[in-house]
Amino acid sequence: EAQVTQNPRYLITVTGKKLTVTCSQNMNHEYMSWYRQDPGLGLRQIYYSMNVEVTDKGDVPEGYKVSRKEKRNFPLILESPSPNQTSLYFCASSLSGSWVNEQFFGPGTRLTVL
Amino acid sequence: AQSVTQLDSQVPVFEEAPVELRCNYSSSVSVYLFWYVQYPNQGLQLLLKYLSGSTLVKGINGFEAEFNKSQTSFHLRKPSVHISDTAEYFCAVSGTGGAQKLVFGQGTRLTINP
Repeated sequence: EAQVTQNPRYLITVTGKKLTVTCSQNMNHEYMSWYRQDPGLGLRQIYYSMNVEVTDKGDVPEGYKVSRKEKRNFPLILESPSPNQTSLYFCASSLSGSWVNEQFFGPGTRLTVL
Repeated sequence: AQSVTQLDSQVPVFEEAPVELRCNYSSSVSVYLFWYVQYPNQGLQLLLKYLSGSTLVKGINGFEAEFNKSQTSFHLRKPSVHISDTAEYFCAVSGTGGAQKLVFGQGTRLTINP
């Protein structure tokens, strides 16, 4: 089954404790992206990757890191999480960076930073 | 740059009634327009998209939307809703050129009452 998977689905952590949210897709997509969803703000892009070893900042990159060492994986790293990073996070992938191609979303990771 | 405004944060309707979710956008260039649906505890999935051609776009689950360039709108409609349509709906816009960002609206929560 074609899908985007994220782990963990739920995470409660404390300020300053490094964490990684994994994202994997099995559709051989070139483009992958991370979003955060906050009430009343819709989805905002954190980082995106056009292909392996090619990443770029989205609209809200502060406090986050990403890497794209393999085509299928695009982990999101929070080196020193803070409470304002409490949010619902989505990974997405598409065939290319053109929006002509459908973007597929993972199920989401709900992060709480205390 | 593009922006999108969803005019209603919440829309309650009765089952089998018609519904319209409103979306207005702003852009200085040609656009692609999208509606995504997010069912409870799930990721987003594409409902329909306008890329070019006919201004009336039909999507999944009986939804349709009409692109109105003069009014810069892309309202989503369904003639008769079901309980299963309860979800949050997001309008999104991007420019048609290369390396364009996809900008999401704030979301509209559709609640269907029996």
